[in-house]
Amino acid sequence: EPEVTQTPSHQVTQMGQEVILRCVPISNHLYFYWYRQILGQKVEFLVSFYNNEISEKSEIFDDQFSVERPDGSNFTLKIRSTKLEDSAMYFCASKGLAGSLVNEQFFGPGTRLTVL
Amino acid sequence: DAKTTQPNSMESNEEEPVHLPCNHSTISGTDYIHWYRQLPSQGPEYVIHGLTSNVNNRMASLAIAEDRKSSTLILHRATLRDAAVYYCILVLPGTASKLTFGTGTRLQVTL
Repeated sequence: EPEVTQTPSHQVTQMGQEVILRCVPISNHLYFYWYRQILGQKVEFLVSFYNNEISEKSEIFDDQFSVERPDGSNFTLKIRSTKLEDSAMYFCASKGLAGSLVNEQFFGPGTRLTVL
Repeated sequence: DAKTTQPNSMESNEEEPVHLPCNHSTISGTDYIHWYRQLPSQGPEYVIHGLTSNVNNRMASLAIAEDRKSSTLILHRATLRDAAVYYCILVLPGTASKLTFGTGTRLQVTL
């Protein structure tokens, strides 16, 4: 069964450093998402992406964040200068075909980001 | 976004049916009712969704009240592997619709 994959599973970084979290969505999916979950808290939407541009972003997704689909298979989340409060589990998700209004989102296993 | 209300936690015995309730009194006519679950240390996983009629799939059943202000996710025979946080989420129809997670219901399943 196709699945969303994410790398690395755990990333440790120093405050102020840049990190790139990588995701490979399900092939032929067209909608891509990033969510995050701070330990013990709710899953929060960050950004959605379609047709090579951002469809929607939350207040969390400020200028320090960016997303890219560089090669038609990977979907990346970059945090330019990490802060302690960026420590969280980051989940990538993808959704199927255009024109399907209510298709489910498929989530990856997550990348645990720890900022020291 | 229309809000949903779920109990914080529920317990069930293995092999018993479980009914997980969700209230969504401000649901709009076009909102779909989605259920996702999150097993420990994993990403969320789609369970089921519906609009007005009751729905069944291999994982669960979804019973939707006639006025659509509440719904119930039914696990017919809970197993230990069903222990998870279950989220009831209203989803606007639309191509890139985001999911807005609440705190969900933590289901504990015991032998």
